[in-house]
Formats: sequence, structure tokens, C-alpha cells
Amino acid sequence: SQELEQSPQSLIVQEGKNLTINCTSSKTLYGLYWYKQKYGEGLIFLMMLQKGGEEKSHEKITAKLDEKKQQSSLHITASQPSHAGIYLCGAEVGGGSEKLVFGKGTKLTVNP
Amino acid sequence: KAGVTQTPRYLIKTRGQQVTLSCSPISGHRSVSWYQQTPGQGLQFLFEYFSETQRNKGNFPGRFSGRQFSNSRSEMNVSTLELGDSALYLCASSSGTGVYNSPLHFGNGTRLTVT
Repeated sequence: SQELEQSPQSLIVQEGKNLTINCTSSKTLYGLYWYKQKYGEGLIFLMMLQKGGEEKSHEKITAKLDEKKQQSSLHITASQPSHAGIYLCGAEVGGGSEKLVFGKGTKLTVNP
Repeated sequence: KAGVTQTPRYLIKTRGQQVTLSCSPISGHRSVSWYQQTPGQGLQFLFEYFSETQRNKGNFPGRFSGRQFSNSRSEMNVSTLELGDSALYLCASSSGTGVYNSPLHFGNGTRLTVT
């Protein structure tokens, strides 16, 4: 079965610093989804990547899917306290289903 | 457009009881999925419904069941509650044509505590 490993598990940065979160898959990724979650709340969809080498940006957040489609990175530039939360990567199981498997998440704290 | 609505937000139940959680998807979305989130296991897929039919099921015991109504609203039921069922239960909706075409949109969840 597909497994996703996220690193680091937690991250504390000073406001204004850049940071990167990684998501590594045990299998080829057919679709990779990044979500953000505030503690105890629902997941907010950030970006979806499908093609090897693809890169997408939303405000100060950039996500990439490597050429071999087994790893994705999420990069935040000039972090702000509003970026704090738990970042989760999710992978499509395949076969056109609606099912996603998720990594355990990366908890980001941004200190002002 | 209103988002995914889950009710109630919080529930406290006793072991052995049963519970029903409700989810109203985004208007026009025909697929509703349910996930369980715990600190230890993370997000785990429970099941997915499309047009009142269960299309996918995760690896959970039969105590966990669900259904979907003709208006796409969905309910999830857990019978004979165990302490380990304490979790955040998240509902997600999508068009149902595959997550590549329509990403999952999540509700704020129902926090279930079993004592």
C-alpha cells in the first residue's frame, strides 16, 4: 500500500525565515495534494501536483513534484505567523478513486 | 458557495453507546468521503459514497457504517463505541469524478470523545 513520509515532523521558525517541508512516497505518485490544517479544524486545500517536475505557487507557498514523482516539497518564503499550522501531503491511491492517503503531517510554528 | 458542514462539532459519549455524525457537502458535489484523524494514526480513510452508493471502504471494523441520501448529505454511524474511537472525524466532498478533476474539500470535523 502507498505510504507517505513527511519531514520534519515539526518545525519552529522565526518570522521572515524561509522553510521547506518534504513528502516522500514509497510508490510513484499519480497525484500529490498539499493541505493545511489549523489545530482541531478541517483541512484547507493548497495545491495539487500531477506531472513530474511540476511546480505551483500560491502567494508565498511553492510546491514541487520531482521528476521521478516520488517526492514533493513545500517551500514557504518569508514566513508569517499566519502560516502556522499542520501541513499534510496526500496522495491519490489511483484508479480514479476519491481516496487519498496522507502523511502524518508537519507542525509549523512561526514565532513573531 | 457554502463549504462542507459537519454537525455536531463536539460529542461526548460513553463506551458501548452509538453515535451518528452528519455531513452536508458543497452544493453540486456528489461524492462524500469520511476520514478519522487521531494523533497516533493520522488521517485514515473510512469510506466514500457517491450517488447513495458506497464506492470505497477503508480498513475499519463493521461498527463503522455510513449512508448517503438523495440530496448527497451523508451520515456516519459508529456503534458500540470504544475508547479508541475518540478522534476527529472529517468529512470531505468532491464532484466524484476523481480527485484529479476535483480536489477533496473538507469540513471542520466532529470531535468525538468516548469516556
